[in-house]
Amino acid sequence: DTGVSQDPRHKITKRGQNVTFRCDPISEHNRLYWYRQTLGQGPEFLTYFQNEAQLEKSRLLSDRFSAERPKGSFSTLEIQRTEQGDSAMYLCASSLLGQGAKNIQYFGAGTRLSVL
Amino acid sequence: KNQVEQSPQSLIILEGKNCTLQCNYTVSPFSNLRWYKQDTGRGPVSLTIMTFSENTKSNGRYTATLDADTKQSSLHITASQLSDSASYICVVSVMDSNYQLIWGAGTKLIIKP
Repeated sequence: DTGVSQDPRHKITKRGQNVTFRCDPISEHNRLYWYRQTLGQGPEFLTYFQNEAQLEKSRLLSDRFSAERPKGSFSTLEIQRTEQGDSAMYLCASSLLGQGAKNIQYFGAGTRLSVL
Repeated sequence: KNQVEQSPQSLIILEGKNCTLQCNYTVSPFSNLRWYKQDTGRGPVSLTIMTFSENTKSNGRYTATLDADTKQSSLHITASQLSDSASYICVVSVMDSNYQLIWGAGTKLIIKP
């Protein structure tokens, strides 16, 4: 499978616990994005990496959220001290710089987080 | 403020019928417009992408149009199939931005047999 993969697909946690999600992008893609999506809404941008550098973070990304892409390949998104409002689908996407203005993002299936 | 609005919010049609989904945007400066299909519980999948100079793009039974003057786009689905049931999201990319995509809320399409 050469698409974007995310793990786990589902995560149920209690309020206050920490969770970590992983994203493996398409192998030759140098850009990686994290989005959050709630029911009935389009994805909301959280952050993106170009290779291992985190170039932008949304104001949605509170201090409890941290993302890394240590070797420019896979990425992790950690949420500390989870709150019920963190319940959402977390989507990862990757793209290849150099494809011109189109910069098509390919999405993974997402990790659905439920905070009880 | 950069915004993308889609209509209708939801749509139910019978299998085999055609339908058209609408997207209006106020995004500046405009780079390109994309339509994504998102099945329930899955990530979005790109259907079409159009730059300023393109006013129509087809992908099988899906045809997207773009009117850059009125800032409107439509996605036409021909001879709908049960597998077309999904959310269809209009996304506009901002010029000179490395990442910023402005997402619509989507149209939820249900195809009934």
